Amino acid sequence: GENVEQHPSTLSVQEGDSAVIKCTYSDSASNYFPWYKQELGKRPQLIIDIRSNVGEKKDQRIAVTLNKTAKHFSLHITETQPEDSAVYFCAASKENYGQNFVFGPGTRLSVLP
Amino acid sequence: DSGVTQTPKHLITATGQRVTLRCSPRSGDLSVYWYQQSLDQGLQFLIQYYNGEERAKGNILERFSAQQFPDLHSELNLSSLELGDSALYFCASSETVEGNTIYFGEGSWLTVV
Repeated sequence: GENVEQHPSTLSVQEGDSAVIKCTYSDSASNYFPWYKQELGKRPQLIIDIRSNVGEKKDQRIAVTLNKTAKHFSLHITETQPEDSAVYFCAASKENYGQNFVFGPGTRLSVLP
Repeated sequence: DSGVTQTPKHLITATGQRVTLRCSPRSGDLSVYWYQQSLDQGLQFLIQYYNGEERAKGNILERFSAQQFPDLHSELNLSSLELGDSALYFCASSETVEGNTIYFGEGSWLTVV
């Protein structure tokens, strides 16, 4: 089955700096890659996603890149703010194959003022 | 508000007992997923239902079971509870079995004492 690894497990950055979180997946058939942000004690919320027919997607300060050949995708947050502090989860899924989301173990991001 | 409703929000019960967690998916969503999140841990996929039928199974213990009813709400039954079952249980839903984004409910906090 699919296996998703995520690095780093914790990340601290200064406010205004950029943060990058990387994920790798094992199943080359996976074709949908969402990112979720989870604040303490709250539900994971989708922040951005990308499908395998696209190499990059951007939404304001957040961007995701996908390298299908290497089977990895990354979340980029620019101009970080304290409210970006949370746990971020990547996931891999196979649309049209009886979808089963597999999540990475998460990255705890701390943005220091 | 994701539109996914979970009850109860909090539950404290004793070891050996049985509990039922309930989930109402977003209007129009046919697929329901259950995830377990232990303290400071990732999202462990338990089981997925689509339009009343089991679609995918993850690391769900034999003591746990689930079902999806004709009105599309789902219940997760946890029996012979152990201390290690204490966790946040999330329900999520998506429009189809093939994919699209999944949206999480607020979760049910289960504490086994």
